[in-house]
Amino acid sequence: QKEVEQDPGPLSVPEGAIVSLNCTYSNSAFQYFMWYRQYSRKGPELLMYTYSSGNKEDGRFTAQVDKSSKYISLFIRDSQPSDSATYLCAMRAMNSGYSTLTFGKGTMLLVSP
Amino acid sequence: ETGVTQTPRHLVMGMTNKKSLKCEQHLGHNAMYWYKQSAKKPLELMFVYSLEERVENNSVPSRFSPECPNSSHLFLHLHTLQPEDSALYLCASSQGVGNSYGYTFGSGTRLTVV
Repeated sequence: QKEVEQDPGPLSVPEGAIVSLNCTYSNSAFQYFMWYRQYSRKGPELLMYTYSSGNKEDGRFTAQVDKSSKYISLFIRDSQPSDSATYLCAMRAMNSGYSTLTFGKGTMLLVSP
Repeated sequence: ETGVTQTPRHLVMGMTNKKSLKCEQHLGHNAMYWYKQSAKKPLELMFVYSLEERVENNSVPSRFSPECPNSSHLFLHLHTLQPEDSALYLCASSQGVGNSYGYTFGSGTRLTVV
């Protein structure tokens, strides 16, 4: 089993739809969870981060972490064509010295006008 | 200039060539990374430098050779590459290797080996 599983998509939605992007993971030591957005021909940029379980909201974006199910989600409300990008989840363990981020494959999102 | 800058943006090289990728960060971070991004695969960590000292090397072939002369600059020297090495090479930086706020990435170098 891979450490982080993420459906590569593409996921196609009409403008204004609610989008749900998800990752599952196997390492119970993961405590920090992040979502990166990567536009075509650009590097990933940090979109949201959360620590442990719970929800975090930032404008149209909501990140959820369910550690009991080892499942994280990113919701995008009122999706816009400018949200079309690849979304990568990333996570790391806590107080793990030189532990680095573990990434999912990324989900390509296409929002049509 | 702000953020993380990578040059060149695109590179085509033959299997017998020697070339170098350059990364520069203007964020005052003390850790830098090289990642390889291939289609349909997760980001693959190649090298980690903390305070200019290499702290992790994820079993990368010796045809990739990193160099970190100071905390702001990172190079990836390439020689006798294979076609399967064609990918997007991303540089990233962070404040501390175990930074919980994630990394700042550059835009990458798109490498094609012919």
